[in-house]
Amino acid sequence: AQSVTQLGSHVSVSEGALVLLRCNYSSSVPPYLFWYVQYPNQGLQLLLKYTSAATLVKGINGFEAEFKKSETSFHLTKPSAHMSDAAEYFCAVNRVTNTGNQFYFGTGTSLTVIP
Amino acid sequence: GAVVSQHPSRVICKSGTSVKIECRSLDFQATTMFWYRQFPKQSLMLMATSNEGSKATYEQGVEKDKFLINHASLTLSTLTVTSAHPEDSSFYICSAKSYPGLADEQFFGPGTRLTVL
Repeated sequence: AQSVTQLGSHVSVSEGALVLLRCNYSSSVPPYLFWYVQYPNQGLQLLLKYTSAATLVKGINGFEAEFKKSETSFHLTKPSAHMSDAAEYFCAVNRVTNTGNQFYFGTGTSLTVIP
Repeated sequence: GAVVSQHPSRVICKSGTSVKIECRSLDFQATTMFWYRQFPKQSLMLMATSNEGSKATYEQGVEKDKFLINHASLTLSTLTVTSAHPEDSSFYICSAKSYPGLADEQFFGPGTRLTVL
């Protein structure tokens, strides 16, 4: 079965510092992986997705993620944190089910940016 | 493009009443819509998947008679919480896909905060 694990439910960084949010997947076949961001009391917004075209994926707001098959990882990074990056981040994998396909979400990582 | 709306954004109701939440894809036709429930500080829990014109498929443990889902058109799905109780209080989020492929993302609505008194 395909699933994702997010290490670290809370991450704090200083403004201007590197952001690294971890996501590992388990899958017997190359997965389709997504990172979403959720601001308080809002829905989810797509940051980026991996669909096997390129291992380094660039997303919105300066975020990027690298698919590493050898490490079964898809970590999200941003070189310099901004106060507006404070939010909840979810890694997700799209998996096949008997009704089509559906997302399986990680448990989320709450990012705090310290001024 | 790819905007999903939800209405209402928040609702407060008395225990025992029913509440309907609408999910609309505003600028695309959704082949599939999903309903999620999210508890505070937790991840999204998929409740059901619905395809236009067919019955919704509910996840294990979700009461289909309590959470009625109707996907009457390619742009509208509704979730009705019947005989709501305080334990049904939660953040409900819908999402929609315009294409059925594994590489295609879901577009999420802004969510509906339900509070049952």
